[in-house]
Amino acid sequence: GEDVEQSLFLSVREGDSSVINCTYTDSSSTYLYWYKQEPGAGLQLLTYIFSNMDMKQDQRLTVLLNKKDKHLSLRIADTQTGDSAIYFCAEAYNQGGKLIFGQGTELSVKP
Amino acid sequence: DSGVTQTPKHLITATGQRVTLRCSPRSGDLSVYWYQQSLDQGLQFLIQYYNGEERAKGNILERFSAQQFPDLHSELNLSSLELGDSALYFCASSRLAGGLETQYFGPGTRLLVL
Repeated sequence: GEDVEQSLFLSVREGDSSVINCTYTDSSSTYLYWYKQEPGAGLQLLTYIFSNMDMKQDQRLTVLLNKKDKHLSLRIADTQTGDSAIYFCAEAYNQGGKLIFGQGTELSVKP
Repeated sequence: DSGVTQTPKHLITATGQRVTLRCSPRSGDLSVYWYQQSLDQGLQFLIQYYNGEERAKGNILERFSAQQFPDLHSELNLSSLELGDSALYFCASSRLAGGLETQYFGPGTRLLVL
């Protein structure tokens, strides 16, 4: 089945690391994505990982993928107040182009 | 800026009416996707077009329809509008079709049905 789950809220202090978690159910997914949505704005692609990779690092962002547990995480190092937003994980399928999104995790960064 | 444009930004209309949302994909992208974001349903895939042809269908109501024109822009038509259709409608585009293609999202059209 197609289901992506995320915790709804995360609150951290400025300068700390944030870890946003996501679980998915379909093992046939190909790419897994992280998108960021700021208030009143569209979806900004942050990063993605191919399903045969374990880890991907992109500046302050680290994506970890555990295929066995179908668990994906996004770590933001040195979190800033500008990182406050809703973060969505999404999975894509090789046969079709649609993305299946999680509910989104609202990240609140306190100074 | 993703390069995907959507118009209008905001739309307020009444129940029973019909509206058209427009999307222009990134230059060179052949595939267009429509998504609906609402408080109760979250972000849901509606429909995908690739080079003018319907490619995949999601949870799109029969009252809704879409098309992609020869210049690759797309329109989403919503008719017999209900209060529950109030949502943010996103368009995304990718170079080709399929799960290997990264989708870039437009800023969305916020629809309010009164």
